Amino acid sequence: AQKITQTQPGMFVQEKEAVTLDCTYDTSDQSYGLFWYKQPSSGEMIFLIYQGSYDEQNATEGRYSLNFQKARKSANLVISASQLGDSAMYFCAMREGPRGSSNTGKLIFGQGTTLQVKP
Amino acid sequence: DAGITQSPRHKVTETGTPVTLRCHQTENHRYMYWYRQDPGHGLRLIHYSYGVKDTDKGEVSDGYSVSRSKTEDFLLTLESATSSQTSVYFCASTSSREDEGGYTFGSGTRLTVV
Repeated sequence: AQKITQTQPGMFVQEKEAVTLDCTYDTSDQSYGLFWYKQPSSGEMIFLIYQGSYDEQNATEGRYSLNFQKARKSANLVISASQLGDSAMYFCAMREGPRGSSNTGKLIFGQGTTLQVKP
Repeated sequence: DAGITQSPRHKVTETGTPVTLRCHQTENHRYMYWYRQDPGHGLRLIHYSYGVKDTDKGEVSDGYSVSRSKTEDFLLTLESATSSQTSVYFCASTSSREDEGGYTFGSGTRLTVV
């Protein structure tokens, strides 16, 4: 069964420094998608970045990059130049299933990592 | 206007009463999902829908039912609320099960069962 593991319940980072949030996954599918979401204290879920299993390059979106290591089944989120507004909970998620009719589009989430940025 | 609206935003109910949460989307998305969020568990899938009247169970479906009579509305019903169903409930939607742009999430419903 598919599973996402985030082993860091909480992390601190100094403002303007980079931080890596860990995510490992388990799946037997060859085709899958990996997502990162941010949830600030207000509660909404904000999409940050996506990585497809067949994408050869690591995804980047502004200050966010995804360090995708397929053989190790890891999809770590790197936030560069941390800002106070980055303080939030971060979720790694995987879309299960291969392409085609058996794919229901369901997302499986990790437990989340709470990031606090210190001034 | 928000892509997904959840109602109510907050609700307190008594054990044993039925409760219905509503998710309304204006994106014309085919796929819709109900999740619950609990500390230490992240978001867990309750039920999902892949079209009007087409629904299926997720990993934590016991005690919940859903209905989807229109593309835009996805209802989650707690048949007889229990304290273990105290949680924050999120609705999500996507137009494509292979969407690479992230799913649209509602703002969540905080449900307390006393």
